[in-house]
Amino acid sequence: KNEVEQSPQNLTAQEGEFITINCSYSVGISALHWLQQHPGGGIVSLFMLSSGKKKHGRLIATINIQEKHSSLHITASHPRDSAVYICAVRPLRGGGADGLTFGKGTHLIIQP
Amino acid sequence: EPEVTQTPSHQVTQMGQEVILRCVPISNHLYFYWYRQILGQKVEFLVSFYNNEISEKSEIFDDQFSVERPDGSNFTLKIRSTKLEDSAMYFCASREKTGERYFGAGTRLSVL
Repeated sequence: KNEVEQSPQNLTAQEGEFITINCSYSVGISALHWLQQHPGGGIVSLFMLSSGKKKHGRLIATINIQEKHSSLHITASHPRDSAVYICAVRPLRGGGADGLTFGKGTHLIIQP
Repeated sequence: EPEVTQTPSHQVTQMGQEVILRCVPISNHLYFYWYRQILGQKVEFLVSFYNNEISEKSEIFDDQFSVERPDGSNFTLKIRSTKLEDSAMYFCASREKTGERYFGAGTRLSVL
């Protein structure tokens, strides 16, 4: 059974700090997603990765397929970045299967 | 910006009753999903739907659950006889042929 492990579970930082959230998984995947869940519950897709690195504004996501590891970085963090960040993977399966397996999330608080 | 719309935002029902959760995916999207998140737990995959049929379902998606795309725009999740443990936030998502999933804001289901 695939497991998606995130670290840390909780992270509190000061505004302006560089943030790193890590995700490890245990089986072959076709894609990895980073999602953001706001306090109200809504989920927003940040990145979908199958290799390398992607950047969007102050967010950077990297993935190392060989090591089964991905990181999400936030530069110049801001209180509005406070949210739960979720890693989810699409395991390699046949037959058009594309359900995601989710990590438990990292609860990030950025203090002013 | 196009979005996935879910109704109602909160549904309260009695144990044993049938509920239908409704979703309007983004209009040109081809793949549709339901996920659930029990309070305090990780998001779990329920079912994926493509070309008017289920393409994958999880162990959670038993005979009490069904999905339908009745009119080419709505995508519904029906729970036939709700149990207390069905209380959760239910998220609908959709995507184009490739690319990221777009999530709705969720329906909070409370089974009393």
